[in-house]
Amino acid sequence: EPEVTQTPSHQVTQMGQEVILRCVPISNHLYFYWYRQILGQKVEFLVSFYNNEISEKSEIFDDQFSVERPDGSNFTLKIRSTKLEDSAMYFCASNAFDGLAKNIQYFGAGTRLSVL
Amino acid sequence: DAKTTQPNSMESNEEEPVHLPCNHSTISGTDYIHWYRQLPSQGPEYVIHGLTSNVNNRMASLAIAEDRKSSTLILHRATLRDAAVYYCIPPSGGGADGLTFGKGTHLIIQP
Repeated sequence: EPEVTQTPSHQVTQMGQEVILRCVPISNHLYFYWYRQILGQKVEFLVSFYNNEISEKSEIFDDQFSVERPDGSNFTLKIRSTKLEDSAMYFCASNAFDGLAKNIQYFGAGTRLSVL
Repeated sequence: DAKTTQPNSMESNEEEPVHLPCNHSTISGTDYIHWYRQLPSQGPEYVIHGLTSNVNNRMASLAIAEDRKSSTLILHRATLRDAAVYYCIPPSGGGADGLTFGKGTHLIIQP
């Protein structure tokens, strides 16, 4: 069964460093998303991406964040200058969106980002 | 925006049916009801969705009230692997919309 894959599974970085989290969405999907989950808290939407541009973004997705689809398969989330509070699980998701009846998002296993 | 309400936690015994309720009294007539779950240390996982009539798939059944103000996710024979947080997700518009996860229902399965 096709799945969303994320790398690395765990990323440790120093505060102020840039990190890039990588995702390979399901191949025929059209919409791509990033979410984050701080330990013990809710899953929070960050951004959606369609047709090579951002479709929607939340208040969390500020200028420190950017997304890119550099080729036909990868989807990346970049955090320019990490802060301690960026420590969280980051989930990538994708969606074929074949109408509202099939508006289903498929999630990866996540990348745990630890900012020291 | 439509909102959903779920109990914080529920407990059940292994191999017994589990009924997880959700209130969504403000959804509109064309809004689908989606359920996801999150197993420990994993990403959210789609479970089932429906509009008006009851729905079944290999994971679960979804019973939707006639007035659509509530629904119940049914696990027919819970196993220890079904221990997870179950989310009843408010309707989103189109594919661009992010999902809004609440606290969900933490389902505990006793052996």
